[in-house]
Amino acid sequence: SQTIHQWPATLVQPVGSPLSLECTVEGTSNPNLYWYRQAAGRGLQLLFYSVGIGQISSEVPQNLSASRPQDRQFILSSKKLLLSDSGFYLCAWSVVGITEAFFGQGTRLTVV
Amino acid sequence: GENVEQHPSTLSVQEGDSAVIKCTYSDSASNYFPWYKQELGKGPQLIIDIRSNVGEKKDQRIAVTLNKTAKHFSLHITETQPEDSAVYFCAASINSNYQLIWGAGTKLIIKP
Repeated sequence: SQTIHQWPATLVQPVGSPLSLECTVEGTSNPNLYWYRQAAGRGLQLLFYSVGIGQISSEVPQNLSASRPQDRQFILSSKKLLLSDSGFYLCAWSVVGITEAFFGQGTRLTVV
Repeated sequence: GENVEQHPSTLSVQEGDSAVIKCTYSDSASNYFPWYKQELGKGPQLIIDIRSNVGEKKDQRIAVTLNKTAKHFSLHITETQPEDSAVYFCAASINSNYQLIWGAGTKLIIKP
């Protein structure tokens, strides 16, 4: 069966520090991968999606970047965090051609 | 592009009563409509979905209805229980696309 791992679960980082969140998927090949952000009490904002290794599309301009160095690995990064980067970050995957998405457990990021 | 609106933002119902959450979409080409449940501190999980060739789908206490003419779809939960308390999200997509367009979410509160 397929599983998705996202870590860490919580993270407190100072303003200006770098960020690296990692997501891996097991049990499937060539998944579509997604990074979402969810502000407190708000809906889901799609940040990045990837349909293949090295293929990243950005939905909103921001202080973040994403990379997909391997088929089932998706990384969210920042060189210098801002206070506004605080939020709940969710990684998700779907099968190519099917839009049903499966989410990881999320990372609660607090920038202080 | 597609736009999904979800109402209400908060819904409080007595345990045992029914709850209905409604969403409207703008792109008539959308043909896939999932509903996700998000418990506190966790990632969203798919609870039920419907495709445009079906008008209604039911799974135990949960049902979804779709009106393609009016471009709206609804989630119905009957005999609500305390564990139904969560945030519910609707979404829409065109199956050939890999993106889900999300509603803003509904916080469902089940009163004992």
